[in-house]
Amino acid sequence: DGGITQSPKYLFRKEGQNVTLSCEQNLNHDAMYWYRQDPGQGLRLIYYSQIVNDFQKGDIAEGYSVSREKKESFPLTVTSAQKNPTAFYLCASSIQGQLNQPQHFGDGTRLSIL
Amino acid sequence: SQQGEEDPQALSIQEGENATMNCSYKTSINNLQWYRQNSGRGLVHLILIRSNEREKHSGRLRVTLDTSKKSSSLLITASRAADTASYFCATDARGFQKLVFGTGTRLLVSP
Repeated sequence: DGGITQSPKYLFRKEGQNVTLSCEQNLNHDAMYWYRQDPGQGLRLIYYSQIVNDFQKGDIAEGYSVSREKKESFPLTVTSAQKNPTAFYLCASSIQGQLNQPQHFGDGTRLSIL
Repeated sequence: SQQGEEDPQALSIQEGENATMNCSYKTSINNLQWYRQNSGRGLVHLILIRSNEREKHSGRLRVTLDTSKKSSSLLITASRAADTASYFCATDARGFQKLVFGTGTRLLVSP
């Protein structure tokens, strides 16, 4: 089955630690996205990538970094500079990054602070 | 602030009843999408309606769009317990290079 796989499902971060969230897709989609979801709020865009080796900042990129070395993979690193990282992180993809295309989502990673 | 705002924030109904949720947005759009999110899961795309369309159907879902009022509604007919989820609208505001999601409506369908 084609889809998006996020891992791990739950992740705990210690103070001063960087952690990396994995996102892999086998849909052959060009565009990939990272969103952050806080309780009672909608999704906020962290970073997006429309093609391999290229990515752009979203609305809340500070304290996060990404890479897009392969079409299938778009890992997100939450750095120690992100002072409030506790949230539900969602990865998504779409065929070509056009906004008239549906986005396909993974099942998320819940990040908490130890 | 968010481009899309859903109303109501929460809705509780019995199985078999219809559920209507609304989305308002602030600037002109090309398309509006509705997504469903089950608790602790990712979003699932339900339907996309273009700015030149007024109504669209998909199974038990009916979406309307009124661009003059900058609003959309999602109607779920003959609801089932499995429809319990949060529902989000997402717009592609002209001038923005991203989808903007609303805060969602939490729907509870009781057996």
